[in-house]
Amino acid sequence: AQSVTQLDSQVPVFEEAPVELRCNYSSSVSVYLFWYVQYPNQGLQLLLKYLSGSTLVKGINGFEAEFNKSQTSFHLRKPSVHISDTAEYFCAVNQGNFNKFYFGSGTKLNVKP
Amino acid sequence: KAGVTQTPRYLIKTRGQQVTLSCSPISGHRSVSWYQQTPGQGLQFLFEYFSETQRNKGNFPGRFSGRQFSNSRSEMNVSTLELGDSALYLCASSTRGQGADTQYFGPGTRLTVL
Repeated sequence: AQSVTQLDSQVPVFEEAPVELRCNYSSSVSVYLFWYVQYPNQGLQLLLKYLSGSTLVKGINGFEAEFNKSQTSFHLRKPSVHISDTAEYFCAVNQGNFNKFYFGSGTKLNVKP
Repeated sequence: KAGVTQTPRYLIKTRGQQVTLSCSPISGHRSVSWYQQTPGQGLQFLFEYFSETQRNKGNFPGRFSGRQFSNSRSEMNVSTLELGDSALYLCASSTRGQGADTQYFGPGTRLTVL
């Protein structure tokens, strides 16, 4: 089975600083990759997804992620964070098997003023 | 378009009882997936329905079941509740239920088992 690893459970960062949230997955076969954000007491919202093509994917709210096949990674980045980015971020993988997604354990981003 | 709705938003039950959660997908979406979210286990896939058929199932005991109606609305049922079933249950819908499709999540149902 597929596994998704988010090494950092919590990432504290000051406002306007850059941030990188790391995600690694186990499968070497073709996968679809996603990043979701969850605000308190809400469901998950899609930030961006990689299906194929360019390895740099741009998403909403200024986030972007880079797919690295050799390192089986899909790290999420933002050059300058805002207080409103404080939330939990989940990396997810789908091997194309219908809607069966594997999620990482999540990274809580805490943006400090 | 209205988003994915889940009812109820909060539930408190006692051990041994059963519970039914409801999910209404976005109009036109035919795939509905269910996830259990807990602090210890994170987000775990329960099952997925497409056109009233269960296509995928996660590693959960048979106490967890679901169904989908002809209008794509879905319900999940948990029988003989255990303390460990306390969790946020999330429903997600997508158009065709294929891996590349974006899943749209509802706000979840918070189940507390006492």
